[in-house]
Amino acid sequence: SQQGEEDPQALSIQEGENATMNCSYKTSINNLQWYRQNSGRGLVHLILIRSNEREKHSGRLRVTLDTSKKSSSLLITASRAADTASYFCATDDSGGYQKVTFGTGTKLQVIP
Amino acid sequence: EPEVTQTPSHQVTQMGQEVILRCVPISNHLYFYWYRQILGQKVEFLVSFYNNEISEKSEIFDDQFSVERPDGSNFTLKIRSTKLEDSAMYFCASRPWEGQETQYFGPGTRLLVL
Repeated sequence: SQQGEEDPQALSIQEGENATMNCSYKTSINNLQWYRQNSGRGLVHLILIRSNEREKHSGRLRVTLDTSKKSSSLLITASRAADTASYFCATDDSGGYQKVTFGTGTKLQVIP
Repeated sequence: EPEVTQTPSHQVTQMGQEVILRCVPISNHLYFYWYRQILGQKVEFLVSFYNNEISEKSEIFDDQFSVERPDGSNFTLKIRSTKLEDSAMYFCASRPWEGQETQYFGPGTRLLVL
């Protein structure tokens, strides 16, 4: 079974609109992180939310975490063309050396 | 701002050849990782490394793979005899210390095995 599943798999919006991506996971976690990946490039860390937190903000990003439903959402407000990328959630469930397990990703396209 | 760096950015090799992928983690970090991403698929954990030894490894990380921190700055991933299915983007990551959970990823090495 997959630890992290994002939906939707792909999302296309107009510039200025908000984009919401969801992530579900299966095991208990220490924290959940969101990463961005531009096409064929490296992973950029966006935000980390700990298991005892419910919401976190960073600039135009808002992340929520519902541990009872084992789900998280990433909201990007007032999207820009430069936000076009794939977005992955990654869960830290090991409690040891803290490898993260990545989800399948949401491919976001922001149309200018 | 310090970054994780990886070399080479691209590598093409013949099946059966050995490859070494190199990473320079951020200098005061203590935990090191390798992940890979096969084209179009999710990023998969390979191995974690702490205190000069492997701390955890996945099923993918079989006897063909090894890691080393030879000189206190570089962190290498060696694939002894590459297979076609080893073609992927390989990411190195590092993390500062216990309690600081954010992992910082390098730009990746794209490996193509022919």
